[in-house]
Amino acid sequence: GAGVSQSPRYKVAKRGQDVALRCDPISGHVSLFWYQQALGQGPEFLTYFQNEAQLDKSGLPSDRFFAERPEGSVSTLKIQRTQQEDSAVYLCASSSQAFAHSGANVLTFGAGSRLTVL
Amino acid sequence: GNSVTQMEGPVTLSEEAFLTINCTYTATGYPSLFWYVQYPGEGLQLLLKATKADDKGSNKGFEATYRKETTSFHLEKGSVQVSDSAVYFCALTQAGTALIFGKGTTLSVSS
Repeated sequence: GAGVSQSPRYKVAKRGQDVALRCDPISGHVSLFWYQQALGQGPEFLTYFQNEAQLDKSGLPSDRFFAERPEGSVSTLKIQRTQQEDSAVYLCASSSQAFAHSGANVLTFGAGSRLTVL
Repeated sequence: GNSVTQMEGPVTLSEEAFLTINCTYTATGYPSLFWYVQYPGEGLQLLLKATKADDKGSNKGFEATYRKETTSFHLEKGSVQVSDSAVYFCALTQAGTALIFGKGTTLSVSS
């Protein structure tokens, strides 16, 4: 596609519910990133995929957070047993570069999925 | 660890005013530096970048110079427009680390 598409754009969940957030990266992009952006803060790194391999998940805040990219394109971020502190905008980004963290790696971001946990 | 500090907003300016948004960083080694912009309802977009000391990144009238001696990457524009109203994020990355963002600075330009 022309850009990175995320769905749903808005999600309201009751505390304890599971949620799934989807990311459609730019076609052919090998690198995919998930970031979490709390209100008034900058995005914080969650996890990175190169094709279908999850090479870095050091930013996932707890074992309730799980991400997958089984066929190396679409990715899903799943949050189990949501808590109020999970409320944030979840950003997905993709890149044509294969290197995870490099100055040459220009990321294209989606508009984000805003999660509100009540 | 690595970090980015940018001036708190909001920054409110009249059209055609001069803009500076300060950004300083802490990093070991030689990071690459970026400015991203987020327009209302849209995703983050790369505005400009610099990958080594003394490099100047520029785009759409915005400029920032990588100053290693002051560990800074301040964003400037000589004459802002209403359409520049957005949130601006300074960020850095270096080999082996994820892209690290500052907290963002909201710019509001009025006509």
